[in-house]
Amino acid sequence: ETGVTQSPTHLIKTRGQQVTLRCSSQSGHNTVSWYQQALGQGPQFIFQYYREEENGRGNFPPRFSGLQFPNYSSELNVNALELDDSALYLCASSLAGQGATQYFGPGTRLLVL
Amino acid sequence: DAKTTQPPSMDCAEGRAANLPCNHSTISGNEYVYWYRQIHSQGPQYIIHGLKNNETNEMASLIITEDRKSSTLILPHATLRDTAVYYCIGAYQGGKLIFGQGTELSVKP
Repeated sequence: ETGVTQSPTHLIKTRGQQVTLRCSSQSGHNTVSWYQQALGQGPQFIFQYYREEENGRGNFPPRFSGLQFPNYSSELNVNALELDDSALYLCASSLAGQGATQYFGPGTRLLVL
Repeated sequence: DAKTTQPPSMDCAEGRAANLPCNHSTISGNEYVYWYRQIHSQGPQYIIHGLKNNETNEMASLIITEDRKSSTLILPHATLRDTAVYYCIGAYQGGKLIFGQGTELSVKP
């Protein structure tokens, strides 16, 4: 059974650019959630995807968007990057109906210069 | 979503039990108490969850008070590898996780 994987592990972008982060769910899991974790803070919920539809969103602007694919993998896209977007981005997978029991990937560390 | 309150830091001697408290006085009847931990530079790891009854698994035990206003996560024999930030979260079983600041547990030799 493979765990949650994320790519890339690290990324450096400049302000105004766009970025796409990728996540592969744990085998058998059909729900994906994304989190942003700034240095020294707890993870903040961005949104959750189930059956390729957004299924709940946190307090993040529309320039944060996502996709979920038929194989349950997912992408997080961030447009018009700002310096404050520098953070660890975490993906977590779960089963529908057990969405709060989540299994996290190692994260992608994004630095915006 | 329930607001939870945890001490910012705790120390524990290696081999002793670590008892991590959490207050969640606003938790609703259908919200579960979830515990996660995050070892430095890794993604959070699910530990255990419960609704009313005490729960135990291979990682830890969860004791929930009868009024459900507080709980305690117990690591029975803490090791150095248990050094991490521990998060207590009130959430619906199918819902999202709202992380607070957590408790930074340091296990010392």
